[in-house]
Order: sequence, then C-alpha cells, then structure tokens
Amino acid sequence: EPEVTQTPSHQVTQMGQEVILRCVPISNHLYFYWYRQILGQKVEFLVSFYNNEISEKSEIFDDQFSVERPDGSNFTLKIRSTKLEDSAMYFCASSEEVGVRNQPQHFGDGTRLSIL
Amino acid sequence: AQSVTQLGSHVSVSEGALVLLRCNYSSSVPPYLFWYVQYPNQGLQLLLKYTSAATLVKGINGFEAEFKKSETSFHLTKPSAHMSDAAEYFCAVSPSPGVTGTASKLTFGTGTRLQVTL
Repeated sequence: EPEVTQTPSHQVTQMGQEVILRCVPISNHLYFYWYRQILGQKVEFLVSFYNNEISEKSEIFDDQFSVERPDGSNFTLKIRSTKLEDSAMYFCASSEEVGVRNQPQHFGDGTRLSIL
Repeated sequence: AQSVTQLGSHVSVSEGALVLLRCNYSSSVPPYLFWYVQYPNQGLQLLLKYTSAATLVKGINGFEAEFKKSETSFHLTKPSAHMSDAAEYFCAVSPSPGVTGTASKLTFGTGTRLQVTL
C-alpha cells in the first residue's frame, strides 16, 4: 500500500539554524499538509497546500515557516531560524481529493525535530 | 470553529474486555469525523471515518464508531480488546468539504492512551 514518506526521522539542530523537513506524499494525491505535535500535546495543524500554493495556515505558521513543492514528488517544510519551542514531531499528510468523496488524510511516520 | 473533546487521557482495559473511547465534537457546520491510532514511534493511521453516510461506521482492526448528532458524539468501540490495541487514539474533525480545491484541515483531540492488561 502506498505511503507517505518523511525524512529524516530525527533531526537535531542548533537554535537559530535553518532546517528543512522533507516529505514524499502518495503519488496521486493532490492535497498536502503539515502538522506538528509537541511532546505530550495534541496534534496541531500548520498548513495545507494545493495547486502549488498555500490553502490555509494556522497562527503557528508564521514568517519563519515556509512550504514548497520543488518537484513532482517532494513537499518540504522549512523553518528559517529555529527556536527552542519548535522542538516537536512534525507530520506530513496527503489526501487524494477533497470534495464529495473527502478522501482521508494519510500521514507519514513523522520527523522528530530537536532544537538545542 | 470546530473542536473535539476526548474524555479520559488514559483508559485501561483487560484483554477481551470492551473498549470504549469517548469523543464529543463541536461544530457549527456538518462535520466529518475521524479516528486515528498512533503506535509508539509511528505516524497516525486512519481507523475509520464518518462522512455523513451511515451513522455506524466500521473501521480496521474490529473498531467501530457511531455518530450521534443529538449527543454530538463519535465514540470508538471494540467488543474485545487485544494486547496489540495498546496505542494512542485520536479523534479528529474537519468541516464537510465544499468545492474541490478547498483543503480541509483536521482538528485533533488531545488523545486517549489505551492500555490493555492481561
């Protein structure tokens, strides 16, 4: 069964450094998402992406964050200048189509980001 | 704004006993509701979804959930717990989608950790 792939599984970065989290969504999916889960807290929506542009973003997704689909397969989340509070598990998700069929979102295994 | 509330951050059942994980939602528009499971060091796996068709939804691994509009609930049940069911379970809500091209974000509950004992 096709799956969402995220790399790396664990990223350790110094505060203030840039980090790029990578995701390969399921190949025929059109909608892409990033969520994060701070340790011990619930999963929070960050951003959704469709047709090469952001569809919606949360208040967490400030100017330090950006997303990109640089080619036909990858979907990346960049944090420009990391802060300690960015430490979390970041999940990528994708869905085939939104609309009357409302295909569910499929999640990757996540990237654990640790900011030192 | 939509939200879900999961009652009980930890639930412990004996193997073979009924599993009941509670979820109540709040939504001003017809919602779509989901249950996801997270095993240790893994991502979120979809268990089942409610999308305004049948109110009793069957999912994977013997789980099912019933949408009750009058109670704004979407509780997850399984008749007989198995050791392999031990995991964290998340209820999530999204707005029923409008036109194609509108991505629907998921809003998650705080999760319920299910422990299964012998």
